[in-house]
Amino acid sequence: GESVGLHLPTLSVQEGDNSIINCAYSNSASDYFIWYKQESGKGPQFIIDIRSNMDKRQGQRVTVLLNKTVKHLSLQIAATQPGDSAVYFCAENRKGGKLIFGQGTELSVKP
Amino acid sequence: NAGVMQNPRHLVRRRGQEARLRCSPVKGHSHVYWYRQLPEEGLKFMVYLQKENIIDESGMPKERFSAEFPKEGPSILRIQQVVRGDSAAYFCASSLGTGSTGELFFGEGSRLTVL
Repeated sequence: GESVGLHLPTLSVQEGDNSIINCAYSNSASDYFIWYKQESGKGPQFIIDIRSNMDKRQGQRVTVLLNKTVKHLSLQIAATQPGDSAVYFCAENRKGGKLIFGQGTELSVKP
Repeated sequence: NAGVMQNPRHLVRRRGQEARLRCSPVKGHSHVYWYRQLPEEGLKFMVYLQKENIIDESGMPKERFSAEFPKEGPSILRIQQVVRGDSAAYFCASSLGTGSTGELFFGEGSRLTVL
């Protein structure tokens, strides 16, 4: 069935390094994706989004890359900080605002 | 979290009891979504409501679960005769519209534990 999934459940990086979190999706008709950050005990927080007519979008310290050929997107976090430690989800925005979430990658930042 | 208020934040129920979770959306938002998150998993869509209407309940279990968003007051997710498998975090989100803007604001969640 249709799904949005992540390659790795955990990622550990050194403070100051760059982080890359990956996500695969299976629905080739998907045209809008969002990355969320969820800290322990909190709700998901919007980070950045991208539409299928783009292959790259940049925000503050974050970049999302979309490869429609292999149905893959990634979230890059530059100069990772301890405050970036959280679970990161990619989500596909379906019609009507319904979100299909991936399982999540837990990012751990070592000082 | 942009003003979505959920309560209670934590709820403990025994098997067979009822759980009621409340969600007040961001002021001015008329679209409300409920998601369920099991431990170590992503959020799963349950239901999408507008004022007084259920728009999409494709993610709701057929039995024991119901949701409403009345003209006045918060949205309510109601779980009757709870079972241990209902233990999860339930998140509410709201938006101004349904366009693909990504502007879905989430609350802090209600964590249900069924003993």
